[in-house]
Amino acid sequence: GAVVSQHPSRVICKSGTSVKIECRSLDFQATTMFWYRQFPKKSLMLMATSNEGSKATYEQGVEKDKFLINHASLTLSTLTVTSAHPEDSSFYICSASGGRDGYTQYFGPGTRLTVL
Amino acid sequence: RKEVEQDPGPFNVPEGATVAFNCTYSNSASQSFFWYRQDCRKEPKLLMSVYSSGNEDGRFTAQLNRASQYISLLIRDSKLSDSATYLCAVMVTGGGNKLTFGTGTQLKVEL
Repeated sequence: GAVVSQHPSRVICKSGTSVKIECRSLDFQATTMFWYRQFPKKSLMLMATSNEGSKATYEQGVEKDKFLINHASLTLSTLTVTSAHPEDSSFYICSASGGRDGYTQYFGPGTRLTVL
Repeated sequence: RKEVEQDPGPFNVPEGATVAFNCTYSNSASQSFFWYRQDCRKEPKLLMSVYSSGNEDGRFTAQLNRASQYISLLIRDSKLSDSATYLCAVMVTGGGNKLTFGTGTQLKVEL
């Protein structure tokens, strides 16, 4: 139980394009989904928290117009990196909570974004 | 001071050894604590939650010391497959279930 999928697993794009990443909870309803970013040899940094049907809450320093988050259903959240630049290249990981205990976070496999 | 701190390691230990990691946290309102395992270029996977009374899962034992604000993870009889980065994560009361992660401790188990 508590499986989270993420798509795509890897994307390479040109500077200036937008990239959409999907996060799905496959066997439970995720009341909350979280988006993280991880640079090499660094820890996971929370970017934003999203609850189904409401606007995402962004962490300090994260541009909401650049990282668009939509949590349209209890099993799907999307992160769109708009006008991506090389400095946005990173490992983006989502997590979802709402399983058995309601607060444990289960992570998707991550999306490795490379912006040329 | 970082909210959650860990010794980055690496800890290089022989197979069969016992190894312990500590993780300190600064926010006394922290309510829930977790250890995650992360393999290279993969997502973190929940290893175990950490309960006030301490808890054990096979070769893994987690402890919480609220007075000193640290959690620990003990791995007994380490296996080659235990090689990974171990992340501690802390959740603060009223923080919307957000997790704050440490930078991780790298473990390398060698023959």
